[in-house]
Amino acid sequence: DAKTTQPNSMESNEEEPVHLPCNHSTISGTDYIHWYRQLPSQGPEYVIHGLTSNVNNRMASLAIAEDRKSSTLILHRATLRDAAVYYCILGRRGGSQGNLIFGKGTKLSVKP
Amino acid sequence: DVKVTQSSRYLVKRTGEKVFLECVQDMDHENMFWYRQDPGLGLRLIYFSYDVKMKEKGDIPEGYSVSREKKERFSLILESASTNQTSMYLCASSSPTGTTNEKLFFGSGTQLSVL
Repeated sequence: DAKTTQPNSMESNEEEPVHLPCNHSTISGTDYIHWYRQLPSQGPEYVIHGLTSNVNNRMASLAIAEDRKSSTLILHRATLRDAAVYYCILGRRGGSQGNLIFGKGTKLSVKP
Repeated sequence: DVKVTQSSRYLVKRTGEKVFLECVQDMDHENMFWYRQDPGLGLRLIYFSYDVKMKEKGDIPEGYSVSREKKERFSLILESASTNQTSMYLCASSSPTGTTNEKLFFGSGTQLSVL
């Protein structure tokens, strides 16, 4: 299975943008890029996913490199509530969502 | 909003006991999953199910079994609990693959301690 590489931790200031990087150099043509986050004492929650084009939703934006070997999750204005572990995951459409391999993720701290 | 409910937030059991972890989802999802989460190891898939009475092994099925008698309910069973099964257990569900709305929805987790 293709793997992803993320920094262990990042810090941000409240109300500033946050760019969370993810490398996935062995991504295949059918792999979607998914992002989930896990707030303290909760189960993970879906953030966003994409294949080739950049994607936006109410929570975040996903910027995908042209060669798809890396992507960046963008939180436009970090709030204290965004402090969480962020997981970048590759998954195949048409396969089970259970094939999403959750790594260790990036722990984001947000300072007031 | 989709709701995935796990029956217990905290559970303490003794070694050798049979343990049932229950999970219910209210969005008519076909797919349901059980993960365990341990510090430094991330989430690992134990079992999943595509439909009623169907089950598939995940990455770490040893020591566990599952039951899916109804679409909305997926149970994880520890036949004889051991201390190395002390962990956070997370249940999830998702809509059928191939739809445009493929997302995993997780419950809040059950922290199981086996003494």
